[in-house]
Amino acid sequence: DAGVIQSPRHEVTEMGQEVTLRCKPISGHNSLFWYRQTMMRGLELLIYFNNNVPIDDSGMPEDRFSAKMPNASFSTLKIQPSEPRDSAVYFCASSFIGRGDEQYFGPGTRLTVT
Amino acid sequence: AQTVTQSQPEMSVQEAETVTLSCTYDTSESDYYLFWYKQPPSRQMILVIRQEAYKQQNATENRFSVNFQKAAKSFSLKISDSQLGDAAMYFCAYRRADDMRFGAGTRLTVKP
Repeated sequence: DAGVIQSPRHEVTEMGQEVTLRCKPISGHNSLFWYRQTMMRGLELLIYFNNNVPIDDSGMPEDRFSAKMPNASFSTLKIQPSEPRDSAVYFCASSFIGRGDEQYFGPGTRLTVT
Repeated sequence: AQTVTQSQPEMSVQEAETVTLSCTYDTSESDYYLFWYKQPPSRQMILVIRQEAYKQQNATENRFSVNFQKAAKSFSLKISDSQLGDAAMYFCAYRRADDMRFGAGTRLTVKP
């Protein structure tokens, strides 16, 4: 298996622009997580899906952030409009609940908003 | 809310020596999982070791082992025969169902 795939790996955009981050989880996994990592706040869970259904989005910072999982093999995290304080590394992770529960992380997307 | 605490922001070890990274957590549950993840400069999060709370035996993966003290809610990671490639951020994590929490991390430096 190729592991969790994220794209793009790097994104530089201007304040006010829309940003879409993409994730392909490991085939067969039934849960997917989006995290944000910054020096100041560490690793924060933004939203969690189970069987493509959002279960907990309490970590989503504000309405500018939205996430979707239209099918078991694809998820997006969208920021609209983006702000400089959104600059961070965004990770996607997937796991299979009931089988070890460990999460497998993608390589992350480094987002810079100028 | 469950919290995970790593009290050592930074640790240093001499190559070939042993180092222990500390982690404590707070939970009222009896069945859960604990993990240690490694994040090298490449920023890829790599699972190092996992422990099921219902197992009394401490998990071991080659040079990595844990000391799981359930009553004390402690989950430390021991790295034996440290290697230069072990230098990274190490994160302790707790999971029960859809509740996943990470500690703030410990930066490990390995001196040649």
